[in-house]
Amino acid sequence: AQSVTQLGSHVSVSEGALVLLRCNYSSSVPPYLFWYVQYPNQGLQLLLKYTTGATLVKGINGFEAEFKKSETSFHLTKPSAHMSDAAEYFCAVSERVGAQKLVFGQGTRLTINP
Amino acid sequence: GAGVSQSPSNKVTEKGKDVELRCDPISGHTALYWYRQSLGQGLEFLIYFQGNSAPDKSGLPSDRFSAERTGGSVSTLTIQRTQQEDSAVYLCASSLPAGRGEQYFGPGTRLTVT
Repeated sequence: AQSVTQLGSHVSVSEGALVLLRCNYSSSVPPYLFWYVQYPNQGLQLLLKYTTGATLVKGINGFEAEFKKSETSFHLTKPSAHMSDAAEYFCAVSERVGAQKLVFGQGTRLTINP
Repeated sequence: GAGVSQSPSNKVTEKGKDVELRCDPISGHTALYWYRQSLGQGLEFLIYFQGNSAPDKSGLPSDRFSAERTGGSVSTLTIQRTQQEDSAVYLCASSLPAGRGEQYFGPGTRLTVT
């Protein structure tokens, strides 16, 4: 069975600082990988996804993530945090075939300090 | 165009009552998913519909939960004899057939069982 672990339920950074949100997965075969963002009282919005090809994936709002098979990781980064990045971030995986239902990590709440 | 819509946005019900939650997917999306977001369990898959195929019900937590999708479009999630542990945000997502596009999420229905 697939599982996702996000290290750190809360991360706090200063505005302009590097954002690093960690995600590790467990899967018998390399899955599809996703990062979603959730703003208060809203649904989930896709930031970026890895399916195949280049392992460094660029997404919206200046975020990117790198798939590292050897480390079973898919960490999310942004060079310079903005106040508007404050939200909850979810890493997710899905199988490459079938229903492709998402299996989510527990989420990381990102706080940006002025 | 219009996104995924869900109704009601909030629902408060007494323990033991039945509730129905509605999801209107994006037009043309044949795949539809229900997820539940709760403090204790995080985000978890409930059920998946794809066209006229039999739904994948593997995530439904008990036989009090059921869902249908009429005409390949609108879906209703029904919870019978609600319990306090059913309190959660219920999220609906739709996509092109699995494997052909990302899942777009609705804003969710917040269910509170008193």
